Amino acid sequence: AQSVTQPDIHITVSEGASLELRCNYSYGATPYLFWYVQSPGQGLQLLLKYFSGDTLVQGIKGFEAEFKRSQSSFNLRKPSVHWSDAAEYFCAVEGGSYIPTFGRGTSLIVHP
Amino acid sequence: SAVISQKPSRDICQRGTSLTIQCQVDSQVTMMFWYRQQPGQSLTLIATANQGSEATYESGFVIDKFPISRPNLTFSTLTVSNMSPEDSSIYLCSVEEGGKSWRRTFGSGTRLTVV
Repeated sequence: AQSVTQPDIHITVSEGASLELRCNYSYGATPYLFWYVQSPGQGLQLLLKYFSGDTLVQGIKGFEAEFKRSQSSFNLRKPSVHWSDAAEYFCAVEGGSYIPTFGRGTSLIVHP
Repeated sequence: SAVISQKPSRDICQRGTSLTIQCQVDSQVTMMFWYRQQPGQSLTLIATANQGSEATYESGFVIDKFPISRPNLTFSTLTVSNMSPEDSSIYLCSVEEGGKSWRRTFGSGTRLTVV
């Protein structure tokens, strides 16, 4: 069975500061890993994904994530946060069932 | 990527009634999915709807409570039946173009409040 944990319910950062959102997964092999963003009243938008190869993945809106097998982690990072980045962020893991399991989400608050 | 139109965007319903949520896609897709997002929770898959066959429900979800229709390759409905306040959630439809998970798109969701 696959599972994913996002340990932080809320993260507050100042605009222009760096950001790291944590995601840990559990799966017996190397899974597919995703980060999605959900703005208020919107559906989920794919930020980036990892399937194989380079463990540092670049996504849209200046986000990147690094897959670390030894730590079973796939943390999302951005060097400089903009006020428009305030949203809910979901990590998802997909194993052999090809059905994703989502984390409970991390709410990002950006202070001016 | 596919564009999904989901209706209604929100509704407030009386307990005991039913609500049907519509999901329209601008291209033909084989697999459509319905998710529930309870307040402060992650997304939970309710069922997978393939055109021309019965929907496949995940553990904890049953057809009598969440009947699904999939009449063609661009449209699906989810009905939340005999609603109770515990059904208050956001319901989202999702599609995967070409059966590829990296081409997964979500609708904007239906925010349901049951009073």
